[in-house]
Amino acid sequence: NAGVMQNPRHLVRRRGQEARLRCSPMKGHSHVYWYRQLPEEGLKFMVYLQKENIIDESGMPKERFSAEFPKEGPSILRIQQVVRGDSAAYFCASSPGRAANYGYTFGSGTRLTVV
Amino acid sequence: QKEVEQDPGPLSVPEGAIVSLNCTYSNSAFQYFMWYRQYSRKGPELLMYTYSSGNKEDGRFTAQVDKSSKYISLFIRDSQPSDSATYLCAMSVGGGSSNTGKLIFGQGTTLQVKP
Repeated sequence: NAGVMQNPRHLVRRRGQEARLRCSPMKGHSHVYWYRQLPEEGLKFMVYLQKENIIDESGMPKERFSAEFPKEGPSILRIQQVVRGDSAAYFCASSPGRAANYGYTFGSGTRLTVV
Repeated sequence: QKEVEQDPGPLSVPEGAIVSLNCTYSNSAFQYFMWYRQYSRKGPELLMYTYSSGNKEDGRFTAQVDKSSKYISLFIRDSQPSDSATYLCAMSVGGGSSNTGKLIFGQGTTLQVKP
């Protein structure tokens, strides 16, 4: 029973390139959350998605960032024209429902380095 | 002022000590409170969750919530070197159609338990 799977684990991009981060939720989970962790900081909420719907994107930067969770396949967090300030660990979490009340399961993260 | 404040430490204790980790918050709408443990280069792992005020115990771990003081604590008894990690508090407003599943995290406290 695999947990939340994120790939790649490490991603290096040059400034101006695009970064695509993938997240496969736990089996049976249809809710996905993305968080960003900057060095020496806690996790910051970015976006909450259900299958084919964005429910809350209040934490997403207004430009260059987008997220999707299609009917089939993993959830994708896309960062266009990356800048050095985008370097961070990006974590995905999933839950079977609106179960934030009880916490949810995180993946191991994708560490993005922009050079 | 941050919604959730957590002393980043680091906190260093000898093996066997009782550890007290704390968070304060400003949003009185928070109802659900969680503690996560994060090992270096890993994703956060849910340790405990609590609803509203009160205590909850699980093995060597005890979580306390005092909503009147907007203060939550995690106690670790008989601490072990394997407890060395970063501990993050998290909270959500929970309940109702306005619940989007968003967790607000503290900065995290780094704990080192020395043998």
